[in-house]
Amino acid sequence: AQSVTQLDSQVPVFEEAPVELRCNYSSSVSVYLFWYVQYPNQGLQLLLKYLSGSTLVKGINGFEAEFNKSQTSFHLRKPSVHISDTAEYFCAVSGDGNKLVFGAGTILRVKS
Amino acid sequence: EAGVAQSPRYKIIEKRQSVAFWCNPISGHATLYWYQQILGQGPKLLIQFQNNGVVDDSQLPKDRFSAERLKGVDSTLKIQPAKLEDSAVYLCASSLTSGGDNEQFFGPGTRLTVL
Repeated sequence: AQSVTQLDSQVPVFEEAPVELRCNYSSSVSVYLFWYVQYPNQGLQLLLKYLSGSTLVKGINGFEAEFNKSQTSFHLRKPSVHISDTAEYFCAVSGDGNKLVFGAGTILRVKS
Repeated sequence: EAGVAQSPRYKIIEKRQSVAFWCNPISGHATLYWYQQILGQGPKLLIQFQNNGVVDDSQLPKDRFSAERLKGVDSTLKIQPAKLEDSAVYLCASSLTSGGDNEQFFGPGTRLTVL
């Protein structure tokens, strides 16, 4: 079975600063990895996904993530955040049985 | 392209009452999912349909929860009777197929409060 650990429940950051949201996973099989964003009172929206190939994945809104198999990590980064990036971010893994397993989420608070 | 539709958006009921949620997936999507998202946690899969058949309902509390997807399109999720711990957001999602590499598209959710 898979599991996902998001190491920070909340990350405060000033506007235009860089940010990294950390995600570690465990799985006994090969996995697909995803980052979703959830704005208040909305459903989840896919930011990016890693299926295979290049370990650096670029997504929407200037976000990117790097898959590190040896460290079983898939950290999300953005070089310069905006107020509009304030939201909750979920890391998720799909592997055995194709079931999508989510982490507990990280709330990104961008301050002006 | 229309997204995943859910109704109602909000529901408040008293414990031991029953409640039903409705979901209309993206047209052509064969796979439909219901998730429960408790405050402060990530979404947890309750049930997955492939067309009108159940693929995975291992985490569905079958003594009180039921779901159906008649005709392989719309789906309803029912809770009867509700408990306080059922307070959560219920998310519906759909994808083209059931492969683990498929993007799931989520609806806005139904926020259930059980008093």
